[in-house]
Amino acid sequence: DAKTTQPNSMESNEEEPVHLPCNHSTISGTDYIHWYRQLPSQGPEYVIHGLTSNVNNRMASLAIAEDRKSSTLILHRATLRDAAVYYCILSRSGGSNYKLTFGKGTLLTVNP
Amino acid sequence: DAGITQSPRHKVTETGTPVTLRCHQTENHRYMYWYRQDPGHGLRLIHYSYGVKDTDKGEVSDGYSVSRSKTEDFLLTLESATSSQTSVYFCASNPGYSGNTIYFGEGSWLTVV
Repeated sequence: DAKTTQPNSMESNEEEPVHLPCNHSTISGTDYIHWYRQLPSQGPEYVIHGLTSNVNNRMASLAIAEDRKSSTLILHRATLRDAAVYYCILSRSGGSNYKLTFGKGTLLTVNP
Repeated sequence: DAGITQSPRHKVTETGTPVTLRCHQTENHRYMYWYRQDPGHGLRLIHYSYGVKDTDKGEVSDGYSVSRSKTEDFLLTLESATSSQTSVYFCASNPGYSGNTIYFGEGSWLTVV
């Protein structure tokens, strides 16, 4: 399975942009890049996903490197509610090989 | 939000007793997953299912078994619970296409004493 590497923790100030990096050097051409986040005592929730092009939604933006070996989740204006663990994962469809494994993620702290 | 529920949400059990956690989804998703989450380890995959009666092991499957007799239900069984299985368990489901999102349940807190 293709693996991802993220920093263990990052810190930001409220209302400032946050750039969360993810390395996935063994990504294959059909792997999608997904980001999820987990608030305290809750299940993970979807943030954004993409394949090759940069993506934007109401929560965040996803910037994907041209070689697709890394990506960055961008929170344009961090709020206290964005404090969570952020997971970057790769997904590849097809038969039984769809394990969807998560790493430890990045713990984002947002300072008021 | 996808309709995915877990039961029980909280359980305390004694070492050596069997425990079954249930995951129920109403979205007709093909894939279902069981994860456990412990401090310092993030989410670790226990077992997953890619169809009715089709299951496979994840990263930490020892001591756990699963069954999926219907599309909507995925059961996780601890045949003989141990204290090391005290954890938070999350179920998830997915339609099965790489561009689709994964939907998680709210978690089941299990304490083995």
